[in-house]
Amino acid sequence: AQKITQTQPGMFVQEKEAVTLDCTYDTSDQSYGLFWYKQPSSGEMIFLIYQGSYDEQNATEGRYSLNFQKARKSANLVISASQLGDSAMYFCAMREAYTGTASKLTFGTGTRLQVTL
Amino acid sequence: DAMVIQNPRYQVTQFGKPVTLSCSQTLNHNVMYWYQQKSSQAPKLLFHYYDKDFNNEADTPDNFQSRRPNTSFCFLDIRSPGLGDAAMYLCATSSHRGVRVKGSYNEQFFGPGTRLTVL
Repeated sequence: AQKITQTQPGMFVQEKEAVTLDCTYDTSDQSYGLFWYKQPSSGEMIFLIYQGSYDEQNATEGRYSLNFQKARKSANLVISASQLGDSAMYFCAMREAYTGTASKLTFGTGTRLQVTL
Repeated sequence: DAMVIQNPRYQVTQFGKPVTLSCSQTLNHNVMYWYQQKSSQAPKLLFHYYDKDFNNEADTPDNFQSRRPNTSFCFLDIRSPGLGDAAMYLCATSSHRGVRVKGSYNEQFFGPGTRLTVL
């Protein structure tokens, strides 16, 4: 069974600083995908970044980058130059081996990020 | 803008009174999902539709049912809500056409959720 672990229930970061949110995973699949989603207080889950298990380079999307260490089974999210609008809950999620019929995700318990002035 | 819409955003029901939550999408995605998210917890998948094929998670209670009359709409029916069913219900969609599209992550697009209160 797949498992996602986020060990930081809450994090604080000062505006304009970088922050790393930790995510470790456990799976026996060789092919899998890792996602990060942001959930503001409004409730909507917003897709941030994706890393495939066979991708050789770390994924980047604007201020978001994913520090993927396959041997350690970690997929940490790095947010550079934090902004007040980054304050939200962040979820790491893993997709099981692609079956062509769906994209079922297993979510971690999330990290609440608070950006301060 | 293409999007996933959920109505209502807030729903209050009484213990045991059936309730229906609605989800619609303009993304023309063939897969739709329903998640339950309780306070301070991760979203938990209840079921999903691949086109018209319904796929129930093994631990989803029988109290939860779903309907998908067409590509755009999907409904979550809670037949007899209990206090433990109070949660945020999230609808999501993704596109899977049998062949992995290069450059596509098949990521899920979520609606804003419906927060259900059971009195």
